[in-house]
Amino acid sequence: GAGVSQSPRYKVTKRGQDVTLRCDPISSHATLYWYQQALGQGPEFLTYFNYEAQPDKSGLPSDRFSAERPEGSISTLTIQRTEQRDSAMYRCASSHSPTGELFFGEGSRLTVL
Amino acid sequence: TQLLKQSPQFLSIQEGENLTVYCNSSSVFSSLQWYRQEPGEGPVLLVTVVTGGEVKKLKRLTFQFGDARKDSSLHITAAQPGDTGLYLCAGLRRSNDYKLSFGAGTTVTVRA
Repeated sequence: GAGVSQSPRYKVTKRGQDVTLRCDPISSHATLYWYQQALGQGPEFLTYFNYEAQPDKSGLPSDRFSAERPEGSISTLTIQRTEQRDSAMYRCASSHSPTGELFFGEGSRLTVL
Repeated sequence: TQLLKQSPQFLSIQEGENLTVYCNSSSVFSSLQWYRQEPGEGPVLLVTVVTGGEVKKLKRLTFQFGDARKDSSLHITAAQPGDTGLYLCAGLRRSNDYKLSFGAGTTVTVRA
C-alpha cells in the first residue's frame, strides 16, 4: 500500500476483554515494529519482525501481549484480558531494511474502561 | 529506564530565535535517527547519522553525532512556527541489533 495502515483507529473496551490491533505495512517493507506511545512522550519499543521472524519481543509488557506476522506482511498485536494501564496509543511502523527509515502508521488509540 | 535521554523536555521560543535539542546516552550507537512528530500524526524521519563526528545540515536544521557515537544534537536556526513539534531521537546500538529505541522527546513550541 501507499503507507502504513492501522485499524481500528480508536478502540474502547472493557477491562478483561481481549483486543486485536492490525497493521498493514508498506508492501515492500521487510521490517515491522510495534510501539506504545503515551501522549507527549517518545514511542516505547514493544517488538519487531523481520519478515515473519520475530527476533525481539523484549518490550512486550507481559505475557498478555502477543504479536504475529504469519506471512511476513500484515501484523496483529493482541492484548488479552485488558487492564486500564493498557490504555495508550499503539503505533506500527515499517521499514525497507532493519537499519532504514521507519514509516509510521496513524496509530490505534486503545481505551480500557 | 530510557536508553536515550533528551533535553530539555520542553522548549518554548520566539520566532527567529535559535534552539538546540540534546540526545545523550552512556551506550554507543551504530546509527542515530532524528524524527519530528506533529500532533495527531506519527513521527517522520528528519535525518540519520552513522559516523562519529558527522554533521548533517537540512536547510535550517543542523544535526551532529558525537565523536564517541553516544550523543547527538539538533540545532535549529531562525526557528519558525512550522518547526513546532515533538522532536525524537532514536538509536540502534549495534549494526545487527534492529531494536530502534526512542528517547522521551523534546516538545518545541515556536511562537509567532
